Amino acid sequence: NAGVTQTPKFQVLKTGQSMTLQCAQDMNHEYMSWYRQDPGMGLRLIHYSVGAGITDQGEVPNGYNVSRSTTEDFPLRLLSAAPSQTSVYFCASSYLGGDQETQYFGPGTRLLVL
Amino acid sequence: SQKIEQNSEALNIQEGKTATLTCNYTNYSPAYLQWYRQDPGRGPVFLLLIRENEKEKRKERLKVTFDTTLKQSLFHITASQPADSATYLCVPFGNEKLTFGTGTRLTIIP
Repeated sequence: NAGVTQTPKFQVLKTGQSMTLQCAQDMNHEYMSWYRQDPGMGLRLIHYSVGAGITDQGEVPNGYNVSRSTTEDFPLRLLSAAPSQTSVYFCASSYLGGDQETQYFGPGTRLLVL
Repeated sequence: SQKIEQNSEALNIQEGKTATLTCNYTNYSPAYLQWYRQDPGRGPVFLLLIRENEKEKRKERLKVTFDTTLKQSLFHITASQPADSATYLCVPFGNEKLTFGTGTRLTIIP
């Protein structure tokens, strides 16, 4: 299993540009989520999904869109990038319920918005 | 609002000693608490989960305690090794969500 994969690893954008961060998992996990990690702050939840066709907002959703058309994929879209969105983005997945609350994280995408 | 505090941003421990990391939480009662390890430039990796009805859990050289009265979890690494150097994140689950602490950067000195 590849686990959770993210592309790209690193991206530079200009203010106002749009882009999509890709996330895929091959563990058949129902739950997928996006976090951002900034210096001096814990990971903050942007959006999450409990299954295909179902998404919801997390703690810091503004400026980001998501969709979940398949169990495997959960892309994060930045519609109009702003310098405040410079961060490291992590995608995570897990089973729902039971003793399977373990979150599996991808390697991260470093985003720099100029 | 829910708040998590992990002791000191950085902790230096001599190799072979026991490293103890502290996590305090306020304003909620988590059903369980996880600890993750994060190396520079990488995503967090799950280490241990302890539930509110468990006092202690062990995995190899790792031990976690959970005191719901003190609202505190302690994370111990015994016989520490330089390879244990990383940032350790405390992650309680309560009010239907995970809340990540900022982490403690642990350095094991040879």
